[in-house]
Amino acid sequence: GQNIDQPTEMTATEGAIVQINCTYQTSGFNGLFWYQQHAGEAPTFLSYNVLDGLEEKGRFSSFLSRSKGYSYLLLKELQMKDSASYLCAVSDSNYQLIWGAGTKLIIKP
Amino acid sequence: IAGITQAPTSQILAAGRRMTLRCTQDMRHNAMYWYRQDLGLGLRLIHYSNTAGTTGKGEVPDGYSVSRANTDDFPLTLASAVPSQTSVYFCASSEDTSGGDNEQFFGPGTRLTVL
Repeated sequence: GQNIDQPTEMTATEGAIVQINCTYQTSGFNGLFWYQQHAGEAPTFLSYNVLDGLEEKGRFSSFLSRSKGYSYLLLKELQMKDSASYLCAVSDSNYQLIWGAGTKLIIKP
Repeated sequence: IAGITQAPTSQILAAGRRMTLRCTQDMRHNAMYWYRQDLGLGLRLIHYSNTAGTTGKGEVPDGYSVSRANTDDFPLTLASAVPSQTSVYFCASSEDTSGGDNEQFFGPGTRLTVL
């Protein structure tokens, strides 16, 4: 079956760095997405990786290892507004997105 | 304003009633999707449409139907609502479905409670 695993909840301190991991097993792979979702709101796109390596975009970076079925989202210089859920999703062989349950990130001052 | 709109924002519905959730996008995207989001679970695809006039079943299609008469609108209908359909429903769209990097844009969601 298809499976996306990510931690349920993480806590970090304002100004610090946090890494949110995602492991996946899917039928086919056409890329991996990270989305941010604030409570009560819609998911919004953060990043897309299809090749191995690190993609940096401001304070956020995303890493992919296809051979290990593994990705992480790295958030630097954490701000209170980064408190949200972070969703990992894999595009499968049919280009359908398979979603993880999300990681709720709590930022403490 | 470009984007996706959904209506209603929230609804309380008696079991057995019929309900249509509306979704409209003005980005001229070919593909549209309906998801449900439940606590502790990832977004689950209910139905999708690759282009106007075509629809397909997702992971959890039972009890739901969709239509895609034109590019902009993609309504989701619950023919006879049951309490297990209590959820938050998100409509999304993407430019296309071929090619892996098709970012999906989400509407604000509809919170549905079936009693």
